[in-house]
Amino acid sequence: ETGVTQTPRHLVMGMTNKKSLKCEQHLGHNAMYWYKQSAKKPLELMFVYNFKEQTENNSVPSRFSPECPNSSHLFLHLHTLQPEDSALYLCASSQGGLLSSYNEQFFGPGTRLTVL
Amino acid sequence: GQNIDQPTEMTATEGAIVQINCTYQTSGFNGLFWYQQHAGEAPTFLSYNVLDGLEEKGRFSSFLSRSKGYSYLLLKELQMKDSASYLCAVADSNYQLIWGAGTKLIIKP
Repeated sequence: ETGVTQTPRHLVMGMTNKKSLKCEQHLGHNAMYWYKQSAKKPLELMFVYNFKEQTENNSVPSRFSPECPNSSHLFLHLHTLQPEDSALYLCASSQGGLLSSYNEQFFGPGTRLTVL
Repeated sequence: GQNIDQPTEMTATEGAIVQINCTYQTSGFNGLFWYQQHAGEAPTFLSYNVLDGLEEKGRFSSFLSRSKGYSYLLLKELQMKDSASYLCAVADSNYQLIWGAGTKLIIKP
């Protein structure tokens, strides 16, 4: 247990569906992240929230929409996805705040997403 | 561009020693991380190096040479449970992590 939970663990959806991924951290951290992990590829950073403010959006298509209602919860809303969006979606949290020289990230177990 | 290179896959024998290399080219450097990820599980933190040299933590050690843009993770007395992917990541000038694709380590009896 890393203190970061994600639901659901597995999700199968059609291209016309709308679904949401949920992440919750119990570590008192101030920064939260969404990553996409595809087979044999580096982790791709999608979004970063620091003190509930979005600080990074790495050219992610608009069919992915993040929401951070408070520093403990992070959502990723999905709509009209494509089959190539099938991947493992990982949430992480870290101490956050101002620029830090040490920013260990704690990861959740991920949501395995399949788009049909 | 920014780039992290590590071998795709390595095989080693139980009880032996294995060294996983990582080379990087990034815009700025604020530390290098190693994470372990078992299949179907979350990546978990192993080590952090920001100064040159060797950091030892039990059976695992991590080395950094900033001038060479090079790090390695050394695993001693390998156990079957060490079979996993090992991810190298570098914090760039904005303290964002740039990740390698990971090295899948297979341990054989």
